[in-house]
Amino acid sequence: DAMVIQNPRYQVTQFGKPVTLSCSQTLNHNVMYWYQQKSSQAPKLLFHYYDKDFNNEADTPDNFQSRRPNTSFCFLDIRSPGLGDAAMYLCATSRGLAGGDNEQFFGPGTRLTVL
Amino acid sequence: AQSVTQPDIHITVSEGASLELRCNYSYGATPYLFWYVQSPGQGLQLLLKYFSGDTLVQGIKGFEAEFKRSQSSFNLRKPSVHWSDAAEYFCAVDEGKSTFGDGTTLTVKP
Repeated sequence: DAMVIQNPRYQVTQFGKPVTLSCSQTLNHNVMYWYQQKSSQAPKLLFHYYDKDFNNEADTPDNFQSRRPNTSFCFLDIRSPGLGDAAMYLCATSRGLAGGDNEQFFGPGTRLTVL
Repeated sequence: AQSVTQPDIHITVSEGASLELRCNYSYGATPYLFWYVQSPGQGLQLLLKYFSGDTLVQGIKGFEAEFKRSQSSFNLRKPSVHWSDAAEYFCAVDEGKSTFGDGTTLTVKP
């Protein structure tokens, strides 16, 4: 089945120690998104890629970076995690950004704990 | 700017009872509207979507939603709730970028 995969499902890191979260997709979608979701809150969009074009949300901290080496993979890098970065990180994909192509398919998420 | 309001933070219903979760949006044109469900520790699963056409849309797991332009609403309904429906429900509007409501937590009483 075509799907969105996130690894690892649970990640523990230390305060200030860089961490990378991984997302892969078999849907061959053009767009890949990263969301941060804190407990009992709505997902908050951090950034997205349309193909190789990177689009950062205005309020995404510089501490968060992303890479998309090819269509299938997208990474979220947190350069110096703080306690406030502990959250669920959701990856999603869509065929496009408008019309019926903007339906998003979500991965299961990575739960990040910062000690 | 587009926005989504889910007025009910938490709803409790008895198993077998009907359910309606409210969603109001603010957007100039006809938006693309979605309902997602999220079980604890999981990602979001799409229940249904509205793009155009028939204003009553059917989704998975027996859910349906009705788009009412005059009320700027897209409420989610289910005629008979099952214990497995207990989860967090998010309404979202999208026009080039998704904006999610804050979610409604559904508890199902036996």
